[in-house]
Amino acid sequence: KAGVTQTPRYLIKTRGQQVTLSCSPISGHRSVSWYQQTPGQGLQFLFEYFSETQRNKGNFPGRFSGRQFSNSRSEMNVSTLELGDSALYLCASGGLAGETQYFGPGTRLLVL
Amino acid sequence: GQQLNQSPQSMFIQEGEDVSMNCTSSSIFNTWLWYKQEPGEGPVLLIALYKAGELTSNGRLTAQFGITRKDSFLNISASIPSDVGIYFCAGRGNNAGNMLTFGGGTRLMVKP
Repeated sequence: KAGVTQTPRYLIKTRGQQVTLSCSPISGHRSVSWYQQTPGQGLQFLFEYFSETQRNKGNFPGRFSGRQFSNSRSEMNVSTLELGDSALYLCASGGLAGETQYFGPGTRLLVL
Repeated sequence: GQQLNQSPQSMFIQEGEDVSMNCTSSSIFNTWLWYKQEPGEGPVLLIALYKAGELTSNGRLTAQFGITRKDSFLNISASIPSDVGIYFCAGRGNNAGNMLTFGGGTRLMVKP
């Protein structure tokens, strides 16, 4: 069974640009959650999508958005990038609420 | 962002020693998860706990879900060099979908 895949693995952008990251969950999983990981703030929840609907949202500005497609693949978008958006962005795949979640390898974003 | 209180922040131990780390929260959680992360990778699930008082083992790893539902600990017995990494606890609250709140991590270093 294939694991969680994230693309791209690495990305370099400049301030003011926007970026789209992609996550394909484990086959059969309908929940995709996104997290931002930085040395200073640790792992912080961005949002969760379940069956194409946003189910939960963390405390991030509106520049961070996401969506989920009918095949459960999810994308997150960050507009008007800031230096502080440099981080490892992780997605986690899960089933119904409360089930175990599995993480992908992450996308490392560097904003210059 | 909100985080669980995880301690210790780092440990430098001799191969063969046992290790213990714990997480505490001011909030009640319905699920506790323990992950290990190695450089350049996403967190890998080690143990999942779903019931207060539950004690679960996975090889040399043992974790417990605290009776108060506000804490959890992870023990590693007879540590080996490949145990090196950062260990994270994560909790899922009631009505939170699959949203996880993470501890700050415990960096484990093992001296052969």
